[in-house]
This record gives sequence, structure tokens and C-alpha cells, in this order.
Amino acid sequence: SQQGEEDPQALSIQEGENATMNCSYKTSINNLQWYRQNSGRGLVHLILIRSNEREKHSGRLRVTLDTSKKSSSLLITASRAADTASYFCATAYGGATNKLIFGTGTLLAVQP
Amino acid sequence: DGGITQSPKYLFRKEGQNVTLSCEQNLNHDAMYWYRQDPGQGLRLIYYSQIVNDFQKGDIAEGYSVSREKKESFPLTVTSAQKNPTAFYLCASSIGSQGGPQHFGDGTRLSIL
Repeated sequence: SQQGEEDPQALSIQEGENATMNCSYKTSINNLQWYRQNSGRGLVHLILIRSNEREKHSGRLRVTLDTSKKSSSLLITASRAADTASYFCATAYGGATNKLIFGTGTLLAVQP
Repeated sequence: DGGITQSPKYLFRKEGQNVTLSCEQNLNHDAMYWYRQDPGQGLRLIYYSQIVNDFQKGDIAEGYSVSREKKESFPLTVTSAQKNPTAFYLCASSIGSQGGPQHFGDGTRLSIL
């Protein structure tokens, strides 16, 4: 079962522009994470935001979390061609396991 | 450098054949996971293990089997009962704290001959 749904499915922008992608989920969560996947490679963890946090920054990344709307957004500022990848949100809903549920992903293309 | 190694990178399966995908980690992580990724889709959990000699089914365990005899190793067998095995398989590990970040290998692409 996939809890996270990302929007848009695909996004194409020019270098230097900002990219925003959104994630919605269905049930209460412990934390929400964002991952990047380059074509044909594994996922790389980018950032984790806990359910009691509203905003978090890491370099050019800014993540927000709205638990009332069950949604999160990832903003990549001043994008570069190297940011071209698929981006996935993943939710952890606590309990006795370490399981994550991944969304369907946003494919970001940054044109040089 | 610590990390997760998956092998082989590409694997071909004949009809009726079982194949085993290798996953080894030297991160000293307790928990390990196997995911399946189909084109243009997210990851679906096949099996996971939180500790040596213990593992649980994920969302799509039918046609797959695993073992966890060592902390470092979590091999996945795709059995002949899995009728649609063509996919990209990803192994991951985590420290074991609840829902913490997962570290991924670079995957094995399995195809049918």
C-alpha cells in the first residue's frame, strides 16, 4: 500500500529556477522523509522532518509539513542540472516497526 | 567506506528457476529491507528484518523468500512462484530506531529470459 502521493508526477524547469514538489499522505505519521533517486541507482536520503516540526532546511532544500492537511512540500532553490532525478517522500507511522511507506515520486528535469 | 552492496547488478531468470539476490551491509545496522520498484512507480516493501534470525512479510511477499542468518547479510530469493518478477530490486538498511533514515544499495535489475 502506498500512502504518499506526490504532485506533480513530472516537473521540468530551467537551471537557476526553484522546484517545488508536494506529498500527501493518509494517516498520522511519526516523521516524513524525502529521498532522491538518480536514474538506475538507489535512493539517497535527503531530509527528515518530525511530526512536531513545521519547517526544516538543509542547504538548498526546504521542507514544510502540515499535519492538519496531511501534506508536505519540498522546495529546491537555485536548481542545477545535477538536481535532475526522481524525488520520493516516505512516511514513518511509528509503532513497533521501522517501516517506511514510499510515495509514487516526482520526476524533476532541470534544463541547463 | 561503509555502505550497502547489492549483487549482481543485472540478473536474468529462466522460467521455473529460483534466483537469489545478494545484499551485504557494513554499516552495523540492525534493520534491513527489500523493496521492489516497477517503472515509473514508487517502492513496495517485500520483506524486512529488524534483527538477526527474524524477518516479517511486507506488502508483496508472495513468491519471495529471505533469510537473515548474519547481521550483515539479507539475501532475497525470487522463486518460480513469482510470476511477474521483472523489476528493479532495492535493498536498504537502517540503524533500527523507529522510522529513521534508510540507506540504499544501487539495486539489482531482474529480467525474464
